[in-house]
Amino acid sequence: DIVMTQSPRSLSVTPGQPASISCKSSQSLLHSDGRTYLDWYLQKPGQSPQLLIYEVSSRFSGVPNRFSGSGSGTDFTLEISRVEAEDVGVYYCMQGTHLPTFGGGTKVEIK
Amino acid sequence: QVHLVESGGGVVQPGRSLRLSCAASGFRFFNTGMHWVRQAPGKGLEWVALIAFDGSVKYYADSVKGRFTISRDNSQNTLYLQMNRSRPDDTAVYYCVKGRDAYLDYWGQGTLVLVSS
Repeated sequence: DIVMTQSPRSLSVTPGQPASISCKSSQSLLHSDGRTYLDWYLQKPGQSPQLLIYEVSSRFSGVPNRFSGSGSGTDFTLEISRVEAEDVGVYYCMQGTHLPTFGGGTKVEIK
Repeated sequence: QVHLVESGGGVVQPGRSLRLSCAASGFRFFNTGMHWVRQAPGKGLEWVALIAFDGSVKYYADSVKGRFTISRDNSQNTLYLQMNRSRPDDTAVYYCVKGRDAYLDYWGQGTLVLVSS
């Protein structure tokens, strides 16, 4: 199985400031079809997870453009350009190149 | 609008069986791969199983392989998860999730399974 490692485990951010979350995979996520299946999900308190970013950098429908994803191979990053209060929750990366596996999560809170 | 509504959760004794259901609407269920993902209390997300749009292909996490069975009824727009030989570490909220390519675009609200004597 591919192991996904996120860092940091938690993050406290001042509203309006940027935030960055790292996700590293134990194997390359480049699929034989040339695509890289790395996604980001946000689970807000008391809610089901929701898709933010798919295939490294594509924002899902309705996701604000302050969220962006980047990376390749085994190293990936989710960035929030200016954190808002509604962005609190736990962020998970997930690889879909092989059978899906999730990172351990990064809890984001507001200072 | 996509709706995924799970049901069938509850308390089950270790070693016993339980069947979860997921009623889907708002999209072409018959044409869509579906997943189950679970979350133990206070823990992270764990992918459980995947079924192809026509039921011809199924994949499972090692932790449930041989005990759980994913299935679907496209005539009823319903996804199932048959949980056999339940263990305490199967205790979790189980989410029904719509797949698209290799990502998970819509999630149900989840149903809680508690494996306890």
